[in-house]
Amino acid sequence: QVQLVESGGGVVQPGRSLILSCAASRFTFSDYVMHWVRQAPGKGLEWVAVVSSDGRVKYYGDSVRGRFTISRDNSENTLYLQMNGLRAEDTAVYYCARGGSEQLARVLGNWGQGTLVTVSS
Amino acid sequence: DIQMTQSPSTLSASVGDRVTITCRASQSVNSWLAWYQQKPGKAPKLLIYKASSLQSGVPSRFSGSGSGTEFTLTISSLQPDDFATYYCQQYNDYPCKFGQGTKVEIK
Repeated sequence: QVQLVESGGGVVQPGRSLILSCAASRFTFSDYVMHWVRQAPGKGLEWVAVVSSDGRVKYYGDSVRGRFTISRDNSENTLYLQMNGLRAEDTAVYYCARGGSEQLARVLGNWGQGTLVTVSS
Repeated sequence: DIQMTQSPSTLSASVGDRVTITCRASQSVNSWLAWYQQKPGKAPKLLIYKASSLQSGVPSRFSGSGSGTEFTLTISSLQPDDFATYYCQQYNDYPCKFGQGTKVEIK
C-alpha cells in the first residue's frame, strides 16, 4: 500500500529556512500530483502547495506564496518543501499527500504521518 | 479564493444517532467536494469525493450529497469509531480550501 514518510521538521528561529522531505514508496511516484497540507496546533487543515506529476506546474496557498517552494525528484521518489522566511504562524504539522488519478488529482487520498515544524526564538 | 464554511463547529451525539454536517462554499464548486475524517494525532482520511462518491473501504453509513454551494455529510448510525473531526475540501480550483472542521463528540 502507498507509503509517504515526511522528515526534516524541527525547531527553527523566525526568519530562517527549513527543507521538508517526503519519501514515497509502493506506487509509481512520477504518475501522481503531490500536495503539502499543514495543521497548526489545535487548528484545522490548511492546504499549502501542489506540484504536477512532472514537476513543472505548481500552485501555492496565499499564506506561503513567495516564501515556500514545492519541488520533487522523480528519480528519487521524493517530494520537497523549501520554507524560507519562517514565521511563528508557520508552526504546524506538515503532511505530504498524494493526489488521485486524473480528475481526482486534487483529492488527497493518501497521507503521510506528518512532521512538526516549530518556529520559535 | 473560494471560502468553505462548515456547521456546526461541534456536534454532540450518541451511538446510533443520525448525524449531518453541512459545508457551504462562497461560490459554486460544482460537485468538486471531498470529506475527510481526522482522529487526534493522526493524518486525515478521505471518506467521500465528488460530493457523493464513497472512497473504497469506507463504511456505507457515510454518505455525501449536494452540489454548487451547499453540501452535507451524513452518518446514518453513529458508531464509536466515528467520534472524530470532519473536514470538507473544495477542489474546484486552486487554492484548495478546507472548511474549519466539525468535531463530533460523545453526548
